[in-house]
Amino acid sequence: NAGVTQTPKFQVLKTGQSMTLQCAQDMNHEYMSWYRQDPGMGLRLIHYSVGAGITDQGEVPNGYNVSRSTTEDFPLRLLSAAPSQTSVYFCASSYSSGEETQYFGPGTRLLVL
Amino acid sequence: AQSVTQPDIHITVSEGASLELRCNYSYGATPYLFWYVQSPGQGLQLLLKYFSGDTLVQGIKGFEAEFKRSQSSFNLRKPSVHWSDAAEYFCAVARDDKIIFGKGTRLHILP
Repeated sequence: NAGVTQTPKFQVLKTGQSMTLQCAQDMNHEYMSWYRQDPGMGLRLIHYSVGAGITDQGEVPNGYNVSRSTTEDFPLRLLSAAPSQTSVYFCASSYSSGEETQYFGPGTRLLVL
Repeated sequence: AQSVTQPDIHITVSEGASLELRCNYSYGATPYLFWYVQSPGQGLQLLLKYFSGDTLVQGIKGFEAEFKRSQSSFNLRKPSVHWSDAAEYFCAVARDDKIIFGKGTRLHILP
């Protein structure tokens, strides 16, 4: 099993550009989530999904969109990137809920100029 | 509002010394409690978790944590640290499918 994979590993964007961060898992997990990690701030939940077709907002959802059309994939979209979105983004998954052990991807480092 | 506090941003200990990392939470009901570790440039890995039952839980790499309901604490301990334990440690709480992480404690090991 590859576990949780994220692409790209590193991305540079200009302010106003859009992009999609990809996340996939091959563990048949129902629960998937996105976090951003900033220095001194820990990880903050952006959006999460408890299954295909179901998504909900986390702590810091503004500026980000998600959808969950399949169990395996949970892409994160930035429609108009801002410098404040410069961060490291982690995707995670668990068997069925947020109360279970989360399995994290390796992260995507995003720089918005 | 729910919150997780890790009061120590940095901790430095000598190799072979004991370690305790503090975590306090504020929640309406007892949440699910976790400790994760992050090595430089890596994702997070679960060390241990507490859902219910015995308040002293054992994890991987020789770590343990004790849940104290009266103090709303879930402190992480290790009797003897190794140089490979240098990393950042995150306490987290989960309830109703939402997870809140503390801001992390970076552990430095002196040879």
